[in-house]
Amino acid sequence: QSVLTQPPSVSGTPGQRVTISCSGSSSNIGSNYLYWYQQLSGTAPKLLIYRNNQRPSGVPDRFSGSKSGTSASLAISGLRSEDEADYYCGTWDDSLSGVVFGGGTKLTVL
Amino acid sequence: QVQLVESGGGVVQPGRSLRLSCAASGFTFSKFGMYWVRQAPGKGLEWVAFTWYDGSNKYYTDSVKGRFTISRDNSKNTLYLHMNSLGAEDTAVYYCAKGLAAITGIAAGGLDFWGQGTLVTVSS
Repeated sequence: QSVLTQPPSVSGTPGQRVTISCSGSSSNIGSNYLYWYQQLSGTAPKLLIYRNNQRPSGVPDRFSGSKSGTSASLAISGLRSEDEADYYCGTWDDSLSGVVFGGGTKLTVL
Repeated sequence: QVQLVESGGGVVQPGRSLRLSCAASGFTFSKFGMYWVRQAPGKGLEWVAFTWYDGSNKYYTDSVKGRFTISRDNSKNTLYLHMNSLGAEDTAVYYCAKGLAAITGIAAGGLDFWGQGTLVTVSS
């Protein structure tokens, strides 16, 4: 059981917009920055969104993040086949004094 | 460019010990917090340990407290994870990751660069 809650899977067709939710509590998402990571099959995770809604250099603007209270979401617009991956949200938890991740969401591009 | 290269993984018997290393380059290692994150086969990401930029404070997930020790040698740009009393539940790919922040705080959950991972298999 992960501290942050994500849907196990989402899917969409090329060109569509999909969103992935991440729900937490006041001790984690509610009081710290939220990050999103993308993990392509067989590779290491990669930082996709930092500080709730900022994109590292090289990440397409099709990816966007938002946070409100104790929840956050990742939106992917103009879906492409290469976006098929596992997506994780993560943040620091003040009560646990550690990093917490969501259980991951598998994105399938139909 | 930032590079993190883990080593030291392998097959180890239950109850034995193992030390992982992570060689860092491409950034000022001594200015950033560093993390170990693991991923069991077919499972999600699990944070294992975190050390401040200077090694003065360390944090562990409950399941490894008292068994694992994170350390760093800033003169060698190297991060370590000493793992004792290993069990089957520790079988995973272990990733070394660079933090966005130097210490704990609002930005402490951000890991901006990851190594390729090293596989630890605990089996008799």
